[in-house]
Amino acid sequence: EPEVTQTPSHQVTQMGQEVILRCVPISNHLYFYWYRQILGQKVEFLVSFYNNEISEKSEIFDDQFSVERPDGSNFTLKIRSTKLEDSAMYFCASSAGQGGPGELFFGEGSRLTVL
Amino acid sequence: SQQGEEDPQALSIQEGENATMNCSYKTSINNLQWYRQNSGRGLVHLILIRSNEREKHSGRLRVTLDTSKKSSSLLITASRAADTASYFCATDRWGSGYALNFGKGTSLLVTP
Repeated sequence: EPEVTQTPSHQVTQMGQEVILRCVPISNHLYFYWYRQILGQKVEFLVSFYNNEISEKSEIFDDQFSVERPDGSNFTLKIRSTKLEDSAMYFCASSAGQGGPGELFFGEGSRLTVL
Repeated sequence: SQQGEEDPQALSIQEGENATMNCSYKTSINNLQWYRQNSGRGLVHLILIRSNEREKHSGRLRVTLDTSKKSSSLLITASRAADTASYFCATDRWGSGYALNFGKGTSLLVTP
């Protein structure tokens, strides 16, 4: 069963540091996403990515965030200067994306703790 | 942006009983989906219903969609302890760049 994999599973960082979260989407999927979930709260959309560019981004996805698909298999989320409020679980997802997002396949998440 | 809102926030039932969760949203949608999340884990897709569909079944799951009321329900029949999880509805709309907007979820506890 193909799956989305994410690394690291947990990262602890100091406020102001840069963080890169990595994801390997399902190989034949075309659309890639990052979501985040602050502990006990709802899952929030950050960004969608298709054909090597951002399709849509939320208000949360400000200039501190960026995404990249550097090598055709990895999909990364970079936070340039982390803040305490960036502490959350970050989920990567991918979908085949035919006529709409369809079913999203999520990874197990990367827990980011900013101290 | 549209957002799904589920109710109840928490539901506790016994094994064998049916569990019903509801979702309301604010704007026109393309599709509505339900996802499940076990504690500390990723989300797993359960079922997708299109805006022109009214009801859909998958195993013990039954989903209804009422676009006039902007609401959906998820029914889990003959619940099992393994169904204990959080359940989220998610909506998308045409031209949204494929963003899914999730509700706050219903936390379901099924006791043996």
